[in-house]
Parts: sequence; structure tokens; C-alpha cells
Amino acid sequence: KNEVEQSPQNLTAQEGEFITINCSYSVGISALHWLQQHPGGGIVSLFMLSSGKKKHGRLIATINIQEKHSSLHITASHPRDSAVYICAGYGASGGGADGLTFGKGTHLIIQP
Amino acid sequence: SAVISQKPSRDICQRGTSLTIQCQVDSQVTMMFWYRQQPGQSLTLIATANQGSEATYESGFVIDKFPISRPNLTFSTLTVSNMSPEDSSIYLCSVEGLNTGELFFGEGSRLTVL
Repeated sequence: KNEVEQSPQNLTAQEGEFITINCSYSVGISALHWLQQHPGGGIVSLFMLSSGKKKHGRLIATINIQEKHSSLHITASHPRDSAVYICAGYGASGGGADGLTFGKGTHLIIQP
Repeated sequence: SAVISQKPSRDICQRGTSLTIQCQVDSQVTMMFWYRQQPGQSLTLIATANQGSEATYESGFVIDKFPISRPNLTFSTLTVSNMSPEDSSIYLCSVEGLNTGELFFGEGSRLTVL
């Protein structure tokens, strides 16, 4: 069974700081999602990637399949970025969402 | 893309009662996924709801406790039966983009069992 580990579990930073959240997995995966969970519980998909890097606004996600590692970066962080960030990986053989393994999430607080 | 409406958003229930959570998608999808997120834990898949067939349950989840309906391609319900405090969680429904693999989630139903 694939294990997905996120670090740090909790992160508090000042507005404007560069944020990095890490995700590592024990078994090979084919692709990985980064998700954002708001305080009310709703989840929004940020990225799905299987190689290299993707960028959307102030968010950047990178993945190294061989090293079994992915990172999510937030540049010029803002209090509205405060949320729980979750990574979720598909097994190495692919498959659908029923094959996802989720990390426990990183609770990010950006203070003004 | 897909927009998912989920309700109730939150509820407080008494031990031994049952609660049904509804999930409405604005487009037709083949599979809908129901997740549970216990406090401080990661999302755990309860079952995959397929239209026209029985839901497929993951290890540790049974139909008697979590009956699921999927009457059409845009709607599903999850019932949490005979609730106990251990069932206090956020329950989420989700669908997957047909060709993109992008994940779409409902707003979540935060359930507290007293």
C-alpha cells in the first residue's frame, strides 16, 4: 500500500513569505494531485501533474517521479492562502480516483 | 469542469439516528466517489457510486452502515446509519473530469454525532 507523507504538518508564516510544502510517497505513482481545503471543508483542485512543473498564478507545483517527491510552492503568500493543502497520488499503474492515496494535509496559516 | 452541490453542509445528530447526504452534479458523470475525513486524518474513500449498479465499497465500509443511491448520472446520496460519535467526520462527494483527470469536490458535509 502506498503511503503519502506530507511535511510540514503545520506551518505558520508571515504575509509575503515564500512557502514550500512537501509530499513524498513510498511506492511509485503515475500522477499526483495538489488540493486546497478551505476551513468549511470544501476542496478545490489546484494541480494534477505527472512530470516537471506547473504554475498557476502564485502557485507552483513540481514533481520528480523517480525520487517519489513533489512540492507545492506559494510565492508572495497572503492571508487568503490560509488553508489545508493535500497531496494525493495515483498508483504506478494509473487508474481512476478510486485508486488515490491521500496525505493528511499541511495546515497553513499566513498572518498579516 | 463540474460544479457539485452537496447538502447538508453541516448537521448535529443524536446517537442511533441516520442522516442522508445529497450530492448533485451539474453534468453527467459515470462514477461518483464518497469520502470520509475524520478529524486530523486524510481522506478515505468509502465507496464508488455507479449509475445502474451497486456501489463498490472499500475495505472497512459496508452497505448496511453506508447505503448509497445513484438514481441517475447527476445525483447520489450517502446515508450514515445508526450513527455513533465515531462517525463524526466531514463527508465529501467527488467526481473526476472525463478526459482531464481533474478532481471536483462538493463543499463537504460536517457531521457531529452526540
